[in-house]
Amino acid sequence: SQKIEQNSEALNIQEGKTATLTCNYTNYSPAYLQWYRQDPGRGPVFLLLIRENEKEKRKERLKVTFDTTLKQSLFHITASQPADSATYLCALPLYNQGGKLIFGQGTELSVKP
Amino acid sequence: DTGVSQDPRHKITKRGQNVTFRCDPISEHNRLYWYRQTLGQGPEFLTYFQNEAQLEKSRLLSDRFSAERPKGSFSTLEIQRTEQGDSAMYLCASSPRTGDTQYFGPGTRLTVL
Repeated sequence: SQKIEQNSEALNIQEGKTATLTCNYTNYSPAYLQWYRQDPGRGPVFLLLIRENEKEKRKERLKVTFDTTLKQSLFHITASQPADSATYLCALPLYNQGGKLIFGQGTELSVKP
Repeated sequence: DTGVSQDPRHKITKRGQNVTFRCDPISEHNRLYWYRQTLGQGPEFLTYFQNEAQLEKSRLLSDRFSAERPKGSFSTLEIQRTEQGDSAMYLCASSPRTGDTQYFGPGTRLTVL
């Protein structure tokens, strides 16, 4: 069955540095991949979607890459700020199953001032 | 507010009681999804609707769980004879169609004592 793995350990970085989060998947070839942000006690908030024919996508300080050969996506936050501290979730859609999403377990990011 | 809304935000109940949660999707989104999330894990798919039709149910959804979307607008998720293992965050999401981004509500946090 399809499986997604994200950095299991929390990521602690200094303000101003670039945070890089990893998402690896197996047993699947998704048409696209999504990244969400989740704050404690809240629902996930959509950040970026990258399609299989896109190698890289940017939105403000966020950058996502998608390597379908390695079956990996990298999520970068440049010039990180304490307000970026949250859990970041990687999600793949099962297109032939109504588009339901399979999520990784999430990576908790903490940006220290 | 035109986002996905859920009610209640928090529910504490005793084991054996029935509970019902409500989700109001973004207007004109015909796809509605329910997910469950436990601490330290990503959301797990429970069921989804296209308009009023329930098209798939996860094996996580035991016979004690039932979901409806009577008029293709709001949805309810009912859990009968709650168990302590049902304690989790229940998330609702909606999208215009398969393959589109899913937008999540704030979730309902259920605690079963």
